[in-house]
Amino acid sequence: GENVEQHPSTLSVQEGDSAVIKCTYSDSASNYFPWYKQELGKRPQLIIDIRSNVGEKKDQRIAVTLNKTAKHFSLHITETQPEDSAVYFCAAGGRAGTALIFGKGTTLSVSS
Amino acid sequence: ETGVTQTPRHLVMGMTNKKSLKCEQHLGHNAMYWYKQSAKKPLELMFVYNFKEQTENNSVPSRFSPECPNSSHLFLHLHTLQPEDSALYLCASSQESLWSGGGNEQFFGPGTRLTVL
Repeated sequence: GENVEQHPSTLSVQEGDSAVIKCTYSDSASNYFPWYKQELGKRPQLIIDIRSNVGEKKDQRIAVTLNKTAKHFSLHITETQPEDSAVYFCAAGGRAGTALIFGKGTTLSVSS
Repeated sequence: ETGVTQTPRHLVMGMTNKKSLKCEQHLGHNAMYWYKQSAKKPLELMFVYNFKEQTENNSVPSRFSPECPNSSHLFLHLHTLQPEDSALYLCASSQESLWSGGGNEQFFGPGTRLTVL
């Protein structure tokens, strides 16, 4: 089955810096790669996703890149702000009969 | 009420109790999920229902019993739990096709914080 590895498990940056979180997956049939943000005490919410027919997608300060050959994808946050502090989860899915598989999460701390 | 709702939000139970968690989605989705979230395993998939049929059971102990009476409601029946079952239980839903799985955004409920004494 699918296996998703996420790194790093914790990341601390200064306000204004960039943050990068990386994930690798094992199932070549996966074609959907979402990223979720979970703030303390709240539910996970989708912040950006990418499908395998594109290599990069951007939404304001957030971007995701996908390398299908190498089976890895990354989340890039530029000009980080304290409100970006949260746990971020990557996931991979798309194979018929299976569900999304989540990585173990990255705790991002942005200090001002 | 919109989105995905869960009740109760907090639950404290003894190891001999029987209780049920309820999830309801108002999004017209056809797939629903139960996750366990704890410090050790941040998002652990427990059960998946597609079109009201259970399609995945990730080696979950039998003291957890899911029920999906229709595509809008999902229950998790609990009995003789252990203290290590204390966690946040999240429900989610998505709209999936017959030809792909986990291929669309999942919408999460707020979770039930379960404490087993």
